[in-house]
Amino acid sequence: ETGVTQTPRHLVMGMTNKKSLKCEQHLGHNAMYWYKQSAKKPLELMFVYNFKEQTENNSVPSRFSPECPNSSHLFLHLHTLQPEDSALYLCASSQAHRENYGYTFGSGTRLTVV
Amino acid sequence: DAKTTQPPSMDCAEGRAANLPCNHSTISGNEYVYWYRQIHSQGPQYIIHGLKNNETNEMASLIITEDRKSSTLILPHATLRDTAVYYCIATNTGNQFYFGTGTSLTVIP
Repeated sequence: ETGVTQTPRHLVMGMTNKKSLKCEQHLGHNAMYWYKQSAKKPLELMFVYNFKEQTENNSVPSRFSPECPNSSHLFLHLHTLQPEDSALYLCASSQAHRENYGYTFGSGTRLTVV
Repeated sequence: DAKTTQPPSMDCAEGRAANLPCNHSTISGNEYVYWYRQIHSQGPQYIIHGLKNNETNEMASLIITEDRKSSTLILPHATLRDTAVYYCIATNTGNQFYFGTGTSLTVIP
């Protein structure tokens, strides 16, 4: 365990479903991130939260909706996804965004859209 | 962020040192070099980072050339569990991490 916990580990959902991915960290970090990793592609940064405020949204479609209720929890709400959204979704945290700290990643949620 | 270039794949015999190169010829003075690795289907794991001095921790050593245009990550005694994709990232303190395609290291028994 890295200190960043993601649930569920695996998720299969239909294109009309609504689901949420959860990320939790108790490292005392103040920045949290969502990354997407499609098969044989580099990790893509999706969202950045710093002290619960969203500071980055890298042109992510609105069918992905992040939520950060506090510095320890981060959610990714999913609705009307497409099969090409199937990927490994990774959550990461760091002490603070835009500071010289490394990231701690969770183990990811493997999402399959059918 | 400075662009980094890494070989797509490398092999290393178990027990030998694995030397993973990274070119970052456009690195600027305030950009650090970070190394992460990703074991299959897991999240990336931080290994080490440095600015201009060589660094060592319990996992690896980082050798940065004097002109800072390239660096080498050294795993002193590679084990089978070191088989992973290794990412070299050059970034300053103001930016987030963008991961490239990395080097796929295979440790051979």
